[in-house]
Amino acid sequence: KQEVTQIPAALSVPEGENLVLNCSFTDSAIYNLQWFRQDPGKGLTSLLLIQSSQREQTSGRLNASLDKSSGRSTLYIAASQPGDSATYLCASSNNAGNMLTFGGGTRLMVKP
Amino acid sequence: EAGVAQSPRYKIIEKRQSVAFWCNPISGHATLYWYQQILGQGPKLLIQFQNNGVVDDSQLPKDRFSAERLKGVDSTLKIQPAKLEDSAVYLCASSLPGLAQYEQYFGPGTRLTVT
Repeated sequence: KQEVTQIPAALSVPEGENLVLNCSFTDSAIYNLQWFRQDPGKGLTSLLLIQSSQREQTSGRLNASLDKSSGRSTLYIAASQPGDSATYLCASSNNAGNMLTFGGGTRLMVKP
Repeated sequence: EAGVAQSPRYKIIEKRQSVAFWCNPISGHATLYWYQQILGQGPKLLIQFQNNGVVDDSQLPKDRFSAERLKGVDSTLKIQPAKLEDSAVYLCASSLPGLAQYEQYFGPGTRLTVT
């Protein structure tokens, strides 16, 4: 059974700092890995999806990498802004049906 | 393009009562998912539909939870009777047919409080 872990559970950084969020998974036989953002009281917004054959994906100030052999993914946020404050969740899909297993999330606060 | 719609947004019920949640996926998305998110945790998949058929419901507590997707579009999730531990946000998501290359799009969720 896949287990997904995110460390740290919470992170506070000053505005402008570059930061890395970590995600680890126990079963490397994944189809894809997704990163989501969740604002308080809201649903999830998909940020990046990395297929198992890919090593990274980029969108604006966000870059996600995937290392299947070590069971890890990282989300890099460049030049953080207060508007980046949210909970970031990673999730892996271990079958073609795309059923996701989520980590517990990292709650990020970017201070002005 | 309209997103995934869910209603109600909030619901407060007493334990042993019943409750139902509704989800309307993005047009053209054949795959629909229901997740349960307990406060402070990541979402947990309850059930996945492909059109109006169930793909996986292995984590659905079938003694009290039921879900249907008549006509392969809208879906309802029901809890009867509710327990205190059912307090959570219930999220609906949809994607293009069942392939892992497609992103899942989430609705705003229904926050359930069982007292």
